[in-house]
Amino acid sequence: DVKVTQSSRYLVKRTGEKVFLECVQDMDHENMFWYRQDPGLGLRLIYFSYDVKMKEKGDIPEGYSVSREKKERFSLILESASTNQTSMYLCASSYERSTDTQYFGPGTRLTVL
Amino acid sequence: GDSVTQMEGPVTLSEEAFLTINCTYTATGYPSLFWYVQYPGEGLQLLLKATKADDKGSNKGFEATYRKETTSFHLEKGSVQVSDSAVYFCALSDRSGGSNYKLTFGKGTLLTVNP
Repeated sequence: DVKVTQSSRYLVKRTGEKVFLECVQDMDHENMFWYRQDPGLGLRLIYFSYDVKMKEKGDIPEGYSVSREKKERFSLILESASTNQTSMYLCASSYERSTDTQYFGPGTRLTVL
Repeated sequence: GDSVTQMEGPVTLSEEAFLTINCTYTATGYPSLFWYVQYPGEGLQLLLKATKADDKGSNKGFEATYRKETTSFHLEKGSVQVSDSAVYFCALSDRSGGSNYKLTFGKGTLLTVNP
């Protein structure tokens, strides 16, 4: 089975802190994604990566950056956390061009105080 | 751009009732269509998918048919169980554009099934 793991299930940070969210997948997937999930808004794509060291902006990249130094790991970085970044963050991965199915991690619920 | 519109929730049903969650889409090309499910406290998991017109996806008693003429992909189940209580997301992947990796999601529909 495909496994996507995220470093924390729950995280509490203070405004202005630098926050790292880590995601690891064990199926040698080329593509990795970061979404945020908010009530009434569904899932919105923040950034995605289709190869090591490659990244593309999604629909809401402002206030975020990403890093993909190894194929299995994709990090989301909040350079200076703000209260409007309180959300559920979901990581996903997929094969390059097979069935478009994305496999999701369990999510990190981030609270910024 | 691509978009997915799905039925507003929440939906509350009794066990063994019939379920329909409507989903319509707008896409520039020839999308693949998906239903994902999110159980409480978990990430999303693929429920079913269809990759071309008239395909029917099915899994765990759920079905959805890709209707190009009505741009729809409605989710149905003949008899729901309490364990089906979850949030359901309709999504599409449009392979004709430059980014064939991306999924566009609907806002989700919360289903609660009472015993």
